[in-house]
Amino acid sequence: GAVVSQHPSWVICKSGTSVKIECRSLDFQATTMFWYRQFPKQSLMLMATSNEGSKATYEQGVEKDKFLINHASLTLSTLTVTSAHPEDSSFYICSPGMDYGYTFGSGTRLTVV
Amino acid sequence: QKEVEQDPGPLSVPEGAIVSLNCTYSNSAFQYFMWYRQYSRKGPELLMYTYSSGNKEDGRFTAQVDKSSKYISLFIRDSQPSDSATYLCAMSPYGGATNKLIFGTGTLLAVQP
Repeated sequence: GAVVSQHPSWVICKSGTSVKIECRSLDFQATTMFWYRQFPKQSLMLMATSNEGSKATYEQGVEKDKFLINHASLTLSTLTVTSAHPEDSSFYICSPGMDYGYTFGSGTRLTVV
Repeated sequence: QKEVEQDPGPLSVPEGAIVSLNCTYSNSAFQYFMWYRQYSRKGPELLMYTYSSGNKEDGRFTAQVDKSSKYISLFIRDSQPSDSATYLCAMSPYGGATNKLIFGTGTLLAVQP
């Protein structure tokens, strides 16, 4: 099955700094990557969709200038949380979608202090 | 009203019990239904995937979809302590790589040895 490698698995950063999260497809090529966020005791919510070769699309209420998404190649999609604040502390996770078995990466726990 | 409702639990059962997990939804356009298992601080793992109404069985797991009632269920037979996790239901209105999943909030299950 499709394997997605996500790094880092957890990160602690200071308020105001930026953090980059990577998702790599190890055994397939993904033209699309879905980025989700999960706050404690809440459901996973789609944030944005990265598209190889074109701009990402963002869900309503998600600041595109704060959450920079880049789909540099068919095997790499990145999410950068810019000027992170404590309210951005969450679990971020990627998925290539239905075409690859609805699999997910292992997730990144971000804590902003 | 949320699109997908799921009892958060926690649900505690003795080892060997039959577990029933449920979700209701409001969007009649949902066609694809998934159940995920998520261990603490890990990415969700796909357990079952069904299309439209009906039953699907895989080992100790059975997924049921009743579109007329907008109700889906996951049954776990002969539950084991290793089944202790959060179970998420998810659904999608259409297939293809451009879809997005709508998740329930998850049910925390504890199987007591």
